Amino acid sequence: DVKVTQSSRYLVKRTGEKVFLECVQDMDHENMFWYRQDPGLGLRLIYFSYDVKMKEKGDIPEGYSVSREKKERFSLILESASTNQTSMYLCASSWTGEETQYFGPGTRLLVL
Amino acid sequence: AQKITQTQPGMFVQEKEAVTLDCTYDTSDQSYGLFWYKQPSSGEMIFLIYQGSYDEQNATEGRYSLNFQKARKSANLVISASQLGDSAMYFCAMREANSGGYQKVTFGIGTKLQVIP
Repeated sequence: DVKVTQSSRYLVKRTGEKVFLECVQDMDHENMFWYRQDPGLGLRLIYFSYDVKMKEKGDIPEGYSVSREKKERFSLILESASTNQTSMYLCASSWTGEETQYFGPGTRLLVL
Repeated sequence: AQKITQTQPGMFVQEKEAVTLDCTYDTSDQSYGLFWYKQPSSGEMIFLIYQGSYDEQNATEGRYSLNFQKARKSANLVISASQLGDSAMYFCAMREANSGGYQKVTFGIGTKLQVIP
């Protein structure tokens, strides 16, 4: 079974803090994705990566950066957390050429 | 324009009955894919079913089937014999071709399904 894990299920941070969200997949997937999910807005793509050290902006990259130093790990970084970044963050991964994205359990981030 | 539209914010269904969750999409691509995911209250997104734009038959996976009407650009999810465990948010999504060869998937805003005993 494909397994995608995220470092925290729940996280509480203060405004201005630097926040790291980690995602690890164990299926040698080329592609990895970070989404945020907000009520009434569905899932919106923040960044994705199709190879090590490669990254592409999604629909809402502002205020975020990413890092992919190893194939299995994709990190989302909030350089200076703000209250409007309070959200559910979902990581996903997939093989190139296969249709399905596999998701992690999500991280609920609260920025105070 | 919205790429994926789910017009039903919430639905109720009696246990053991069938239910249809609506999804319409907008794309100018000839090659695309349509998905449905389930998200229980625990938060994890669970893949349910996939339909490719060139697939002639409607996709089926156990109690799930995808009613694909290409001309109408609709991809409704049908759940037969609903169970209490089907209570969840359901998201329709579309994958479109990208020049880089990697997938970009757009999600709808979801429909909350409640199964009543």
